Amino acid sequence: DGGITQSPKYLFRKEGQNVTLSCEQNLNHDAMYWYRQDPGQGLRLIYYSQIVNDFQKGDIAEGYSVSREKKESFPLTVTSAQKNPTAFYLCASSTPITGLGEQFFGPGTRLTVL
Amino acid sequence: KNEVEQSPQNLTAQEGEFITINCSYSVGISALHWLQQHPGGGIVSLFMLSSGKKKHGRLIATINIQEKHSSLHITASHPRDSAVYICASQQAYTDKLIFGTGTRLQVFP
Repeated sequence: DGGITQSPKYLFRKEGQNVTLSCEQNLNHDAMYWYRQDPGQGLRLIYYSQIVNDFQKGDIAEGYSVSREKKESFPLTVTSAQKNPTAFYLCASSTPITGLGEQFFGPGTRLTVL
Repeated sequence: KNEVEQSPQNLTAQEGEFITINCSYSVGISALHWLQQHPGGGIVSLFMLSSGKKKHGRLIATINIQEKHSSLHITASHPRDSAVYICASQQAYTDKLIFGTGTRLQVFP
């Protein structure tokens, strides 16, 4: 079945540690996105990539890094520089911009920094 | 700056009731998305529309481009419709979305 997978579903880390969240899609989508969701707030865009080996900062990129070495994969690293990393992280993908396609979302990873 | 506002923030209903959730946005857009988020956190895309009306089962989405307003209707609501419904605007020439804060719907038997 085609879709987006994120792992793990729950992740616990100690303060000061970097952590990498996985996102894989087999939908053959060019564009991929990372969002952060906090209680009472709308999803906010962290990073997005429209093509392999290229990515752009979203609205809240500070303290995060990404890579896009393969079309299927868009991992997100939450670094120790991120001041408040505890949140729910969602990955999404979509068809190319010219198609104005809907975004498909993964199941999310809930990160808790202790 | 494009902003998306939803109302109400919370909504409770009895099974069978007709539900309406509203979404307003501040700048011209290329498309408006309605999403559903269940308690586990996963998000499903319900509709993407740029004009008029779309229907899928008991769900109906409408958009008025001139008034910058969209509504999501649920007919004959059911407890399994309980979820957070999120609208998001997509600006022209970009696939970036601006999200509303969501409407939490609870449908009781």
